[in-house]
Amino acid sequence: DTAVSQTPKYLVTQMGNDKSIKCEQNLGHDTMYWYKQDSKKFLKIMFSYNNKELIINETVPNRFSPKSPDKAHLNLHINSLELGDSAVYFCASTGGTEAFFGQGTRLTVV
Amino acid sequence: EDQVTQSPEALRLQEGESSSLNCSYTVSGLRGLFWYRQDPGKGPEFLFTLYSAGEEKEKERLKATLTKKESFLHITAPKPEDSATYLCAVQASGGYNKLIFGAGTRLAVHP
Repeated sequence: DTAVSQTPKYLVTQMGNDKSIKCEQNLGHDTMYWYKQDSKKFLKIMFSYNNKELIINETVPNRFSPKSPDKAHLNLHINSLELGDSAVYFCASTGGTEAFFGQGTRLTVV
Repeated sequence: EDQVTQSPEALRLQEGESSSLNCSYTVSGLRGLFWYRQDPGKGPEFLFTLYSAGEEKEKERLKATLTKKESFLHITAPKPEDSATYLCAVQASGGYNKLIFGAGTRLAVHP
């Protein structure tokens, strides 16, 4: 039983396209995140939602828009994709202490 | 600014050769320090949480310790299956549970 699941696992798309990544958690947590891991493997927070409310919005281009339809789901929509958006995107959730991560979505923009 | 620095960047060990990984941190009020393991192509897997200086946690061949400025992950008699990237992260008080990660230590254990 996967605790935090994201789809798709791989995403290859052309510059200028719009794409979405979906995330679901079955842990009953109130808080969910999106993290970005760059080519140097450095994990950096992008957004956090608590009970469907946006609570963290780091310095991220406004082409990135998270959406949380309910507290078990947090999706990430990216408009007008650029080469520099290529990275691995991780969804995570927490009940207040440790965070649990999904398997990641490797996004490649060509 | 809250910051986490891990060293070394990469570590190669022979099977059975014990060693330690370092995580130095600067944070405005530590709420918790976390260790994760990440295998290639997978998401970080939670290992330990430490909350206060002097605290220690153990799991199999791994032991994590915490002081006011740094944490160590001690690996005793490692096996090849311990090969992974080990990530350290801190959570600051009032930071909405945000995790601030270090760049990780890539550990390779050879038979």
